[in-house]
Amino acid sequence: NAGVTQTPKFQVLKTGQSMTLQCAQDMNHEYMSWYRQDPGMGLRLIHYSVGAGITDQGEVPNGYNVSRSTTEDFPLRLLSAAPSQTSVYFCASSSDGEGDTEAFFGQGTRLTVV
Amino acid sequence: ELKVEQNPLFLSMQEGKNYTIYCNYSTTSDRLYWYRQDPGKSLESLFVLLSNGAVKQEGRLMASLDTKARLSTLHITAAVHDLSATYFCAVDNAGNQFYFGTGTSLTVIP
Repeated sequence: NAGVTQTPKFQVLKTGQSMTLQCAQDMNHEYMSWYRQDPGMGLRLIHYSVGAGITDQGEVPNGYNVSRSTTEDFPLRLLSAAPSQTSVYFCASSSDGEGDTEAFFGQGTRLTVV
Repeated sequence: ELKVEQNPLFLSMQEGKNYTIYCNYSTTSDRLYWYRQDPGKSLESLFVLLSNGAVKQEGRLMASLDTKARLSTLHITAAVHDLSATYFCAVDNAGNQFYFGTGTSLTVIP
């Protein structure tokens, strides 16, 4: 049972480069979301999706794009990386909100932009 | 905008002692979560609290929820070294947007 899988685990980018962080879940969850974690700031919501074809912005969406073409996958794109995007990124998935719903998190991607 | 405040940010406690971490949130929410994170690792779910007065316990950790006060507590009983980690509370908005507190870094010392 893989749960939520993120790739890559580590990445170094130069300023201005683009890349895609991959996230896949095998739990058939409708909801998926991306967070960034910075020291002293907890996790902050970047973008989220309530189902295939539907995405929306979170607290800190600038500089990031997402799409959701399938239930399983929710990639996060950085079109032109900036040093301020150096962070640890977590993808999460959750079911559609009844009862003891909880979010399951991937292992994280540690991104450094130089 | 939903805000979550957690305190203290840092907590150093001796083994065997008790302490409480507090989590306040700004607007009505469906659920309150507690997560644990070890250094360099992902988040591990500890508790999901659904309703006013909910109390859940797992080992030396007990979480409670007061929805009227918009307050949750995580109580640590007789701390041991293995509990050293960062603890986050989070609330959700419709089950798909999670808002996290800043975390409490707990160190248990002998």
